[in-house]
Amino acid sequence: VQLVQSGSEVKKPGASVNISCRASGYTFTNYYIHWVRQAPGQGLEWMGVFNPSSGNSRSAQKFQGRVTVTRDTSTTTVYMELSSLRSDDTAVYFCASQSFDYWGQGTLVTVSS
Amino acid sequence: EIVLTQSPATLSLSPGERATLSCRASQNVSNYLGWFQQKPGQAPRLLIYDASNRAPGIPARFSGSGSGTDFTLTISSLEPEDFAVYYCQQRRNRPLGLTFGPGTKVDIK
Repeated sequence: VQLVQSGSEVKKPGASVNISCRASGYTFTNYYIHWVRQAPGQGLEWMGVFNPSSGNSRSAQKFQGRVTVTRDTSTTTVYMELSSLRSDDTAVYFCASQSFDYWGQGTLVTVSS
Repeated sequence: EIVLTQSPATLSLSPGERATLSCRASQNVSNYLGWFQQKPGQAPRLLIYDASNRAPGIPARFSGSGSGTDFTLTISSLEPEDFAVYYCQQRRNRPLGLTFGPGTKVDIK
């Protein structure tokens, strides 16, 4: 099992960022994908969960309205878009498998004017 | 939202010593509690799931216990590679409403 994420991003406040997470080594539609972020020097924050089979996602309350998750089953890739970026969205964003036993390598998103 | 509290914030120990880390939940999470290890620049690594089950490949020196609101991660004899930050996570309402604790840093005394 592998989860491979897209590379670092630098965005301006108010912009959106799209992070990809390509899954391999298992049946893509059988397991949920979670998104977790970590601000510099801080702890882990669960953002939400995505069902690749149905295409439905649920976000933690603080991210509702700002997070959109989609997938491409042909490439077994999940995409997480975070909109209306603020400086405090600067963080490393991780995708993780349903049971958190596999993680992507993380994607650093820097929000700066 | 279920809030997790971890103590101590920092644990300073020497290799070979025993480490005892605590995680307390603001509500009953049954046994839906996991522990993760994270080293600088790396993704977290699952150590323990469902309070007391070691994840595949995790050494036997790591053990978890507890249920309800009080949980413990024990490292029986610290190896040099065990110095890291440890997070607990509850998943009582999985797959929704998951939360992590603030972490305990285990550093070298």
